[in-house]
Amino acid sequence: KAGVTQTPRYLIKTRGQQVTLSCSPISGHRSVSWYQQTPGQGLQFLFEYFSETQRNKGNFPGRFSGRQFSNSRSEMNVSTLELGDSALYLCASSSRSPPGELFFGEGSRLTVL
Amino acid sequence: AQSVTQPDIHITVSEGASLELRCNYSYGATPYLFWYVQSPGQGLQLLLKYFSGDTLVQGIKGFEAEFKRSQSSFNLRKPSVHWSDAAEYFCAVGPHGSSNTGKLIFGQGTTLQVKP
Repeated sequence: KAGVTQTPRYLIKTRGQQVTLSCSPISGHRSVSWYQQTPGQGLQFLFEYFSETQRNKGNFPGRFSGRQFSNSRSEMNVSTLELGDSALYLCASSSRSPPGELFFGEGSRLTVL
Repeated sequence: AQSVTQPDIHITVSEGASLELRCNYSYGATPYLFWYVQSPGQGLQLLLKYFSGDTLVQGIKGFEAEFKRSQSSFNLRKPSVHWSDAAEYFCAVGPHGSSNTGKLIFGQGTTLQVKP
């Protein structure tokens, strides 16, 4: 069974640009969550999608958005990039049960210059 | 407020020695509890989880953890550490209820270094 796939793995952007990250969950998993990981703030929950609907949202500004498609693939978008958005963005998929058992991708490393 | 505290930012142990990583949580009710491990350049992998029942849970790679309600703790242990265990370890809590499947609160992590 293929794992969670995130693309791109690495990217460099400049301030003010926008970025779109993609996540393909494990086959059969309908829940996709996104996390931001930074040395200072650690792992912070961004949002979760289930069956194309946003089910939970973390405490991030509106510049961070996401969506999920009918095949459960998900994208997240960050607009008007700031230096502080430099981070590892992790996607995780899960089945409905048991809750919280997340399967993570290797992440997309975003550097904002 | 809900939170997870891992008091030790960095731990160094000798190969073959025992290991205990500490985790304390603050939560309104008994949460679901997890330990994840992250190797350099990798995503997180679930080591073990506690939902209910037996307070001593076994995980992969020879790890175990014990839930102590009175101390709000969920410490991770391993009797004999291998060099390949060097990684960053995260404790996490999640709420009961299927509507919160993917939303976990993570601790800041503990980096484990293993001396030969």
